Amino acid sequence: DVKVTQSSRYLVKRTGEKVFLECVQDMDHENMFWYRQDPGLGLRLIYFSYDVKMKEKGDIPEGYSVSREKKERFSLILESASTNQTSMYLCASGRDNSYEQYFGPGTRLTVT
Amino acid sequence: AQKVTQAQTEISVVEKEDVTLDCVYETRDTTYYLFWYKQPPSGELVFLIRRNSFDEQNEISGRYSWNFQKSTSSFNFTITASQVVDSAVYFCALSEDLGAGSSNTGKLIFGQGTTLQVKP
Repeated sequence: DVKVTQSSRYLVKRTGEKVFLECVQDMDHENMFWYRQDPGLGLRLIYFSYDVKMKEKGDIPEGYSVSREKKERFSLILESASTNQTSMYLCASGRDNSYEQYFGPGTRLTVT
Repeated sequence: AQKVTQAQTEISVVEKEDVTLDCVYETRDTTYYLFWYKQPPSGELVFLIRRNSFDEQNEISGRYSWNFQKSTSSFNFTITASQVVDSAVYFCALSEDLGAGSSNTGKLIFGQGTTLQVKP
């Protein structure tokens, strides 16, 4: 079974803090993705990576950055957390566009 | 532009009723892929089905069935004899074939999701 794990299920941070969300997959997938999920908006793509050290902006990259130093690990970084970044963050991995993505359990981040 | 619309925000049914979740998509490409995911209260999205644009055969898997119609750009999902365990948020998603020379990354465009509540 494909396994995608995320470092935390729940996280509470203060405004202005630097936040790291970690994601690890064990299926040797080339592609990894970070989404945020908000009520009424579905899932929106923040960043994705199609290879080690490669990254591309998704639909809502502002306020975020990413790092992919190893194939299995994809990190999402909030340089200076703000309250409008309070959300559910979902990581996913996949082979290519013809195949399904596998999702982690999500991290519910609250910024106060 | 690619877009996925799930017009039903919330649906509530009583156990054993049949229910259909609608999904309408927009794309300019001839090659694309459609997906359905289930998100139970635990939060983790679970893959249900993948369909490519050249395969219009309907599919049935147990109580689940999918109706893909290119003529109306729809990919609807029906649960027969619903059960309480079917209560979840269901997402329809679209992925396009960017072709050779592109980063064929499998970006998914998600609909807004439909919350299904099945009451006992």
